[in-house]
Amino acid sequence: GAGVSQTPSNKVTEKGKYVELRCDPISGHTALYWYRQSLGQGPEFLIYFQGTGAADDSGLPNDRFFAVRPEGSVSTLKIQRTERGDSAVYLCASSLGSGRSREQFFGPGTRLTVL
Amino acid sequence: TQLLEQSPQFLSIQEGENLTVYCNSSSVFSSLQWYRQEPGEGPVLLVTVVTGGEVKKLKRLTFQFGDARKDSSLHITAAQPGDTGLYLCAGSFTGTASKLTFGTGTRLQVTL
Repeated sequence: GAGVSQTPSNKVTEKGKYVELRCDPISGHTALYWYRQSLGQGPEFLIYFQGTGAADDSGLPNDRFFAVRPEGSVSTLKIQRTERGDSAVYLCASSLGSGRSREQFFGPGTRLTVL
Repeated sequence: TQLLEQSPQFLSIQEGENLTVYCNSSSVFSSLQWYRQEPGEGPVLLVTVVTGGEVKKLKRLTFQFGDARKDSSLHITAAQPGDTGLYLCAGSFTGTASKLTFGTGTRLQVTL
């Protein structure tokens, strides 16, 4: 497919467990973004990569959250010691380059439920 | 921290009615985007506005950017059931151009 893909689509885990969420951006897109969307809210920015490096990680809520993009394509969002408050839909987006007018294309999200 | 307020939060109207959704911020946007999101999917971009006072039209949708670039509106004419969804505004601010700050959204339901 040509769009942004995210796996898994749903993840149910227990409090305290570790989870990894994967994002495959559109081929050729150098910028990649992670957002978190809680029920009834708009997406909230977490982190943005330009190439392999995190250009802005100011939205990560605490040090339990970490993201990597080792080869400048696929990215993994990692959450340690999950808490019930981490339950949300995690959205990934990619764009051709970065900047205020660059369109971000969103994936369908991973719905994370922490029991 | 920049905050975007959207109003109304919920809107239920009948087919053929007109509606307007508002997006306001206390900070100046460097650009503003409107998205539409359906259940189980990510947001899809409808329009980007950059210049104060700018008006863009997309079929029955009219988007307006405030002169001071602190507010925007989305007007839908003759709403149809296919317009049902979550409408989100998202802004970029000076110095954080690649980071989008989203509003809380307006959930629109259009019934026959």
